Amino acid sequence: QSALTQPASVSGSPGQSISISCTGANSDVGGYNYVSWFQQHPGKAPKLIIYNVTGRPSGVSNRFSGSKSGNTASLTISGLQAEDEADYYCSSYTSSARGVFGGGTKLTVL
Amino acid sequence: QVQLVQSGADMKKPGASVKVSCRASGYTFTDFYIHWVRQAPGQGLEWMGWMKPQNGATNSARDFQGRVTMTRDTSINTVYMELTGLRSDDTAVYYCARGPLWPQLDYWGQGTLVTVSS
Repeated sequence: QSALTQPASVSGSPGQSISISCTGANSDVGGYNYVSWFQQHPGKAPKLIIYNVTGRPSGVSNRFSGSKSGNTASLTISGLQAEDEADYYCSSYTSSARGVFGGGTKLTVL
Repeated sequence: QVQLVQSGADMKKPGASVKVSCRASGYTFTDFYIHWVRQAPGQGLEWMGWMKPQNGATNSARDFQGRVTMTRDTSINTVYMELTGLRSDDTAVYYCARGPLWPQLDYWGQGTLVTVSS
């Protein structure tokens, strides 16, 4: 199972919106609404910020939103804040009842 | 509150095995899967496998099949992940995390650093 494809880095200025893509295949992202997104700050464990493509766990800011079209899922962060600077990972369920992560995207807030 | 507490850092020689534990508390142990995820230094997250504590069923990533074994002890709400035939590129932080069958991982352990070096 190959890792899902994410851009290595994205950047934006405070207050702007950015999107991070996560591209897979019919056997994972495209075949199931089981895409999650995680935020990871240096030295910390990942934190779940989006589940089931669009769901947002309690306590996660509504500035984070998710979507999916075909084999590509996307995470959008609106109203960028300095604290959003982190690494972001997508994950998906796969047809072999396994999981797979994206390669990760480093978000820089300029 | 939900907690996953992992065993401490470990250092092994190439070819050896390592066993990492993950003790769950604050929820019904058999209601959720435990997934194992690792992260090599400066690298991304890598999904390794899941264990279903209710019946001991497991599934692992193809890259780890034959090398990883996941077990559990329901009397102490603990899941174990053993990785054999260690190589230097197995040096990583190993995390356990709670979720359903798919990797929607809402609680994570603190991570266990495994260093493989001669």
